Amino acid sequence: SYVLTQPPSVSVAPGKTTSISCGGSNIGSKSVHWYQQKPGQAPVVVIYNDSDRPSGIPERFSGSNSGITATLTISRIEAGDEADYYCQVWDSSGDHAHAVFGGGTRLTVL
Amino acid sequence: QVQLVASGGGVVEPGRSLRLSCAASGLTFNYYSMDWVRQAPGKGPEWVAVISYDGKYKSYADSVKGRYTISRDNSKNTLYLDMNSLRTEDTAVYYCVRDLGQWLMGYFDSWGPGTLVTVSA
Repeated sequence: SYVLTQPPSVSVAPGKTTSISCGGSNIGSKSVHWYQQKPGQAPVVVIYNDSDRPSGIPERFSGSNSGITATLTISRIEAGDEADYYCQVWDSSGDHAHAVFGGGTRLTVL
Repeated sequence: QVQLVASGGGVVEPGRSLRLSCAASGLTFNYYSMDWVRQAPGKGPEWVAVISYDGKYKSYADSVKGRYTISRDNSKNTLYLDMNSLRTEDTAVYYCVRDLGQWLMGYFDSWGPGTLVTVSA
């Protein structure tokens, strides 16, 4: 089965920029989606199709995807960005398609 | 505004069954594929199942295949998840989500508040 690998945690100071990686076999050939989840809330999509932003998501959130790594970049970090972030793709290598989530990265704002 | 309200969760003994429902509003329900995603306490989301807009295609996670059945009634704007042979590891909040974008490449843009299923003796 397809596996997505994320760092368990990242820490960053307010105003700085951070990147969260999502590694997977030939992930560059897939569409990668990113979700933000705050405590007690359902996940919210912040990036879809590698680099598109839903309406209402700040331009500070951006995404890229190439080779074996997709990346979510958050610039000008704010306290409100502190959350868990998950990447997600679809894997169609088997007889049926499956959606796969990464293990998640906890972003801590120092 | 899209609303997805899941219900039917509760406490159930291992080996028993449960049916979850999700009432959808604020969208043309029969346009969209729909999924169930679950999240165990303290863990990340885990995709459970997808159903196409017309109900003809379904796919399941290996962890639930053969035990769970996803279905929909487009006349009632309702999504279902029938769960059989429940195990303790099925304990989670179950979310009903809208699947947006290209078929089997899309993302989950609308999440309901979820319903908690606890499997315990």
